[in-house]
Amino acid sequence: DGGITQSPKYLFRKEGQNVTLSCEQNLNHDAMYWYRQDPGQGLRLIYYSQIVNDFQKGDIAEGYSVSREKKESFPLTVTSAQKNPTAFYLCASSIGLVLYGYTFGSGTRLTVV
Amino acid sequence: GQQVMQIPQYQHVQEGEDFTTYCNSSTTLSNIQWYKQRPGGHPVFLIQLVKSGEVKKQKRLTFQFGEAKKNSSLHITATQTTDVGTYFCAGLGVTGSARQLTFGSGTQLTVLP
Repeated sequence: DGGITQSPKYLFRKEGQNVTLSCEQNLNHDAMYWYRQDPGQGLRLIYYSQIVNDFQKGDIAEGYSVSREKKESFPLTVTSAQKNPTAFYLCASSIGLVLYGYTFGSGTRLTVV
Repeated sequence: GQQVMQIPQYQHVQEGEDFTTYCNSSTTLSNIQWYKQRPGGHPVFLIQLVKSGEVKKQKRLTFQFGEAKKNSSLHITATQTTDVGTYFCAGLGVTGSARQLTFGSGTQLTVLP
């Protein structure tokens, strides 16, 4: 079955550590996205990528970094510069840029301890 | 920047009652998408509306896009316990960039049996 796999499901990080969240899709989608979801709020765009080796900042990119070396993979690194990293992180993909509905992964819940 | 407001934030209904959530944008939208997120889950794409005044139905769900393309609504007839979840709208600004897809804060629906 095609879909998006995010791992791990739960992640605990000590303050000052960088951590990388994995996102893999086998839908052959060109566009991929990272969103952050906080309780009672909508989704906020961190980074997005239209094609391999290209990515753009979203609305809240500070403290995060990404790479897109393969079409299937779009990992997100939460750096120690991110002031409030505890959140639910969602990866998504779509056939094209925003004109189609997004397919979301099951998410990674990051907690800073 | 573009803002998408969604009301109400919470709604409790008795099973069998109707439910409506409203989405309003500060700017004219190119299209609007609706998603459902079950408790503990990830958003799932429901539908996309593109044309002014467009109405689409999916079984008991009716989606509308306003004539001015600045507002939208989702109406559920005769709710069931399976309708429980948070419903998000996401509007795309007329510039067409992924950065311009803005999610509302969602309406959390509880259906009491």
